[in-house]
Amino acid sequence: SQQGEEDPQALSIQEGENATMNCSYKTSINNLQWYRQNSGRGLVHLILIRSNEREKHSGRLRVTLDTSKKSSSLLITASRAADTASYFCATVEAGGFKTIFGAGTRLFVKA
Amino acid sequence: EAGVAQSPRYKIIEKRQSVAFWCNPISGHATLYWYQQILGQGPKLLIQFQNNGVVDDSQLPKDRFSAERLKGVDSTLKIQPAKLEDSAVYLCASSLPLRGLGSYNEQFFGPGTRLTVL
Repeated sequence: SQQGEEDPQALSIQEGENATMNCSYKTSINNLQWYRQNSGRGLVHLILIRSNEREKHSGRLRVTLDTSKKSSSLLITASRAADTASYFCATVEAGGFKTIFGAGTRLFVKA
Repeated sequence: EAGVAQSPRYKIIEKRQSVAFWCNPISGHATLYWYQQILGQGPKLLIQFQNNGVVDDSQLPKDRFSAERLKGVDSTLKIQPAKLEDSAVYLCASSLPLRGLGSYNEQFFGPGTRLTVL
């Protein structure tokens, strides 16, 4: 069963605005990852945050993790049309090997 | 560096037919993953190999799906017989070897094979 659930399912913003996506999961994890998928293509790894980290930055990306609420957020600042894609969170259970992806947030950035 | 290669890119079959997908991972990546991604959903892990051994296949419908990774490099995923609900994109990914429970290495994905079952 899918573990990560993203919110919102879809998001439409203007270029230059910030986009925030949220992810919730169900079990204990060692880390959480965010991936991007452009239409008709494979997934690309964006950023990983470990369970002992609360916030992580990479360029225009900021990820937060709240293990007490079992949730994470991905913030894309100063969005660009090229950021238009689907964004997925993924987790690996602390006691397992299986990677579980959420259903994804579809982001559309209008130029 | 060459990425993960998959073939074919597209396949259309009728229900009850058989189909096979091929994946060539990045050189040196011991871990290989097959995912099924139904339209509008996130990828679902079907099977995960470390070298030529199966690490997880708990979500693989074993009555119709099979996968192998001979010699710990290339892998083949087969569906026999196909059902309408198997229509999806099948993604292959690879990563450096995992080092224990709960561990993770960045996964590199291929372009996927889009399967349509009529």
